[in-house]
Amino acid sequence: QKEVEQNSGPLSVPEGAIASLNCTYSDRGSQSFFWYRQYSGKSPELIMFIYSNGDKEDGRFTAQLNKASQYVSLLIRDSQPSDSATYLCAPVGGYQKVTFGTGTKLQVIP
Amino acid sequence: EAGVVQSPRYKIIEKKQPVAFWCNPISGHNTLYWYLQNLGQGPELLIRYENEEAVDDSQLPKDRFSAERLKGVDSTLKIQPAELGDSAVYLCASSQDSVSEAFFGQGTRLTVV
Repeated sequence: QKEVEQNSGPLSVPEGAIASLNCTYSDRGSQSFFWYRQYSGKSPELIMFIYSNGDKEDGRFTAQLNKASQYVSLLIRDSQPSDSATYLCAPVGGYQKVTFGTGTKLQVIP
Repeated sequence: EAGVVQSPRYKIIEKKQPVAFWCNPISGHNTLYWYLQNLGQGPELLIRYENEEAVDDSQLPKDRFSAERLKGVDSTLKIQPAELGDSAVYLCASSQDSVSEAFFGQGTRLTVV
């Protein structure tokens, strides 16, 4: 079993819609969770950080964490074409390292 | 504040040749990562340093890959000899510690022909 599982997509949503990106992880020792965005040909950049159960909102982005279910998600409201990118889930596990999933490619259709 | 600096940005070499990548992390960052990223995949950890100590190199193919981080600052990743399958983007990242967000360099795109 991979440490981090993400649907590779692509996930296509119309402009203005809500995009929902999901991630499951296997290491129950995971303490922190990062969502990175990676534009094509660029390096990943952090967009959200969550470390406690529940929701965390930052502008159009909401991260949701459920440690019991080992599930973390990212919601993007009012999706824009500029949100088109690959979104990488990255739990920091018991061995204290940032581990990445395969990423979900998001396409926002104008 | 300067970000993570990597060089070179691009490298094309023939198979069986050696190649080296260099990384200068953000000042004050104790943790340094080298990741490999293939097209359409997420970054895969090769090695993680805490200061000058390699604390996680389980994914590093030690028969041909080597890395060092002298004085706990700059780091180099070497491949010798390179194989066709090594063609990928090599990303360096650094963080204040092992549980903080990682900041990435621009990466080195390696093509082995």
